[in-house]
Amino acid sequence: AQSVSQHNHHVILSEAASLELGCNYSYGGTVNLFWYVQYPGQHLQLLLKYFSGDPLVKGIKGFEAEFIKSKFSFNLRKPSVQWSDTAEYFCAVNRLDSSNTGKLIFGQGTTLQVKP
Amino acid sequence: KAGVTQTPRYLIKTRGQQVTLSCSPISGHRSVSWYQQTPGQGLQFLFEYFSETQRNKGNFPGRFSGRQFSNSRSEMNVSTLELGDSALYLCASSPTSSGDPLGYEQYFGPGTRLTVT
Repeated sequence: AQSVSQHNHHVILSEAASLELGCNYSYGGTVNLFWYVQYPGQHLQLLLKYFSGDPLVKGIKGFEAEFIKSKFSFNLRKPSVQWSDTAEYFCAVNRLDSSNTGKLIFGQGTTLQVKP
Repeated sequence: KAGVTQTPRYLIKTRGQQVTLSCSPISGHRSVSWYQQTPGQGLQFLFEYFSETQRNKGNFPGRFSGRQFSNSRSEMNVSTLELGDSALYLCASSPTSSGDPLGYEQYFGPGTRLTVT
């Protein structure tokens, strides 16, 4: 079965530390890849997306992600986290075939806690 | 543009009852997807509607149904509620068009928190 795995369930960092959240998916066809963030009390927001082209994509708030096709990975990075980055982060995959329209497959999420 | 809106935001129902949740997509978006979010199962896809037609459906029982209106607004209905249906139900809209090979990102609403007692 298709799946999306996020390696870290709970990450605790101090401000200014670097962040890398892992994401792997199990589907071998063409995919769109996303990272969403859910701040406390807020709805899911799109951080960044990969559709095609440059495998290094930049998103909002200084986040970036790298698509490595050979590893089926789409890891999220930020060089220096802030307390305001405390949130839950979700990796999501959309398989590009007619039977999967409108369907995002989500990882289980990673809770990031940034200590001031 | 206004974002995706969902009503009601909170709902408490009793086992055996039915419930209808509403979603208004971003203006111009014709695709609406629904998800269930629980602590144990995470975010799971329920179904997607485009131009009033269900194009895709997840692995949920037939008690879960939906529809989409000509103005792209969507509703989902859960009949014969069970305790396990307690969850946050999220609606997302997308500007995708029919047969678009590239796909588009989805924009999420705040969700409806359903509690079944």
